[in-house]
Amino acid sequence: ELKVEQNPLFLSMQEGKNYTIYCNYSTTSDRLYWYRQDPGKSLESLFVLLSNGAVKQEGRLMASLDTKARLSTLHITAAVHDLSATYFCAVDPWGSGYALNFGKGTSLLVTP
Amino acid sequence: DTAVSQTPKYLVTQMGNDKSIKCEQNLGHDTMYWYKQDSKKFLKIMFSYNNKELIINETVPNRFSPKSPDKAHLNLHINSLELGDSAVYFCASSQGGQGREKLFFGSGTQLSVL
Repeated sequence: ELKVEQNPLFLSMQEGKNYTIYCNYSTTSDRLYWYRQDPGKSLESLFVLLSNGAVKQEGRLMASLDTKARLSTLHITAAVHDLSATYFCAVDPWGSGYALNFGKGTSLLVTP
Repeated sequence: DTAVSQTPKYLVTQMGNDKSIKCEQNLGHDTMYWYKQDSKKFLKIMFSYNNKELIINETVPNRFSPKSPDKAHLNLHINSLELGDSAVYFCASSQGGQGREKLFFGSGTQLSVL
């Protein structure tokens, strides 16, 4: 069974600091997805990473994918309070495109 | 216009009852999904449909029966509700099944079984 592990699960950081969230997965996949969920809200797609070495950036968030290491990172630069949310990575377990296995999520709290 | 809409937003019911959740997407996507999010925020795929055809049924009890009357709708009917069914159920859609497109999620249905 595909395992998707995120680290850390909880993160409290000060505004202005940098940090990285890690996502490891247990089977071969060349696609990885990052989603954001605000408390009590739905999920919003952040990044779709489709190949080894893919890097995508939006605002203060940058995601990368290393398929050989089965690792994706979500880097936060100069955090602001608005980034407080839960971040999920997800992997397509069968490569079919019809289902995603999600990690347990990283709850991020950015404090002044 | 809401891209993926689910109703109801909240559902409180007694054990043993039967209930339905409706989902509609106006994005023209051909693939729709049901995900379950438990109290620890863990998200798990339940079903996926492509052009009204069931593609994924991820070991979900038979009490859960999805129905897709057309590719814009995917409803979820649950029979004989149990306490463990309490969760947030998310409908989602995407274009195609090649995994290259992001999912668009509905706002969720919070189901509480008493």
